[in-house]
Amino acid sequence: GEDVEQSLFLSVREGDSSVINCTYTDSSSTYLYWYKQEPGAGLQLLTYIFSNMDMKQDQRLTVLLNKKDKHLSLRIADTQTGDSAIYFCADSFSGNTGKLIFGQGTTLQVKP
Amino acid sequence: KAGVTQTPRYLIKTRGQQVTLSCSPISGHRSVSWYQQTPGQGLQFLFEYFSETQRNKGNFPGRFSGRQFSNSRSEMNVSTLELGDSALYLCASSSTGEIYEQYFGPGTRLTVT
Repeated sequence: GEDVEQSLFLSVREGDSSVINCTYTDSSSTYLYWYKQEPGAGLQLLTYIFSNMDMKQDQRLTVLLNKKDKHLSLRIADTQTGDSAIYFCADSFSGNTGKLIFGQGTTLQVKP
Repeated sequence: KAGVTQTPRYLIKTRGQQVTLSCSPISGHRSVSWYQQTPGQGLQFLFEYFSETQRNKGNFPGRFSGRQFSNSRSEMNVSTLELGDSALYLCASSSTGEIYEQYFGPGTRLTVT
């Protein structure tokens, strides 16, 4: 079945770039999403990329998509302590629907 | 625009009871999806409702059900609660244009004792 995998933990220094990686198995993905979850909160939509794109930039965020390898990454430039959170990659199941398949989440720790 | 609201935010129930959670989507959004989040299983899709009809369903037992009203508000119900149903239940609403952007509420934390 459809699956999304992420590494579980990433630690960086404030001011460095962070790169969070994700792989997925669904070959019919239409959109791929990145969400952020802070303690005790719901999920915040950060950005998304359409499956026919290679890259999308949104201020400090850069999303890279390698469709051949089914690999997605989120780069956060100039990482701040406020970026400390859990980041989830999500795949839209079988096209453009309200069903998302989420990865396990990557905990980003930013050290001052 | 107000965000997605969920009520109640916290709930404690006893095994065997039933529970109803409520979700009010962003104004104008007609699709509502529900997810269960647990430390062990992560985020799992429960179901999606669009225009009062269930459009997608995850792999959960029949004890989990939902509905959507004409104003797009949605409720989910869990009957005969089990300890394993303790979780954060998240509701997400989305418009149904070309891009399916789902916006999540803060969740309802359900504890089953």
